Amino acid sequence: EAGVVQSPRYKIIEKKQPVAFWCNPISGHNTLYWYRQNLGQGPELLIRYENEEAVDDSQLPKDRFSAERLKGVDSTLKIQPAELGDSAVYLCASSLDLMGQHEKLFFGSGTQLSVL
Amino acid sequence: KNEVEQSPQNLTAQEGEFITINCSYSVGISALHWLQQHPGGGIVSLFMLSSGKKKHGRLIATINIQEKHSSLHITASHPRDSAVYICAVGRGSQGNLIFGKGTKLSVKP
Repeated sequence: EAGVVQSPRYKIIEKKQPVAFWCNPISGHNTLYWYRQNLGQGPELLIRYENEEAVDDSQLPKDRFSAERLKGVDSTLKIQPAELGDSAVYLCASSLDLMGQHEKLFFGSGTQLSVL
Repeated sequence: KNEVEQSPQNLTAQEGEFITINCSYSVGISALHWLQQHPGGGIVSLFMLSSGKKKHGRLIATINIQEKHSSLHITASHPRDSAVYICAVGRGSQGNLIFGKGTKLSVKP
């Protein structure tokens, strides 16, 4: 079975340009997470979806970041316009959460973003 | 103070040594995760536990709920174990994990 698939693997852009990341979770997983990980730090949650509903986007900088999960499967995360401080690894993860309880998380390989 | 603290931050060991990485947390949790992240790679979930002890191959994870502490042990360490090990705690219906900053392990041949 394929794991969580993310693309692109790497992205280099100039500041003020837009960028988009794509995530295909494990088939059947209802919960999808987008995390941002800065060098030497643990992942920080940006947004969590349960099916197609964003249930926690409190940490998402909504002035420039947006996300969607149409049909409750694939998801895209967009930054427009990108700033130098957005350089990080963007990780997608999915899980099958039942009755509000956490189950094991599966992570994608991440997208390493460099903003010049 | 971070809600999830790991120690040590960096660890260098010789091949074959027994390794312990610690995680302390200050919030109520429903489960604790140990994750492994190789350089340039994605994150792999090693364990999810809410009590007691779990073992998988050379890896052992323990948790003491009363003391709010967990340990990850690696027996007979090998250079391929070199990675960042991350502790994360889940709080049930709140849905989100709180991550530690990770422990960077380097095992020398």
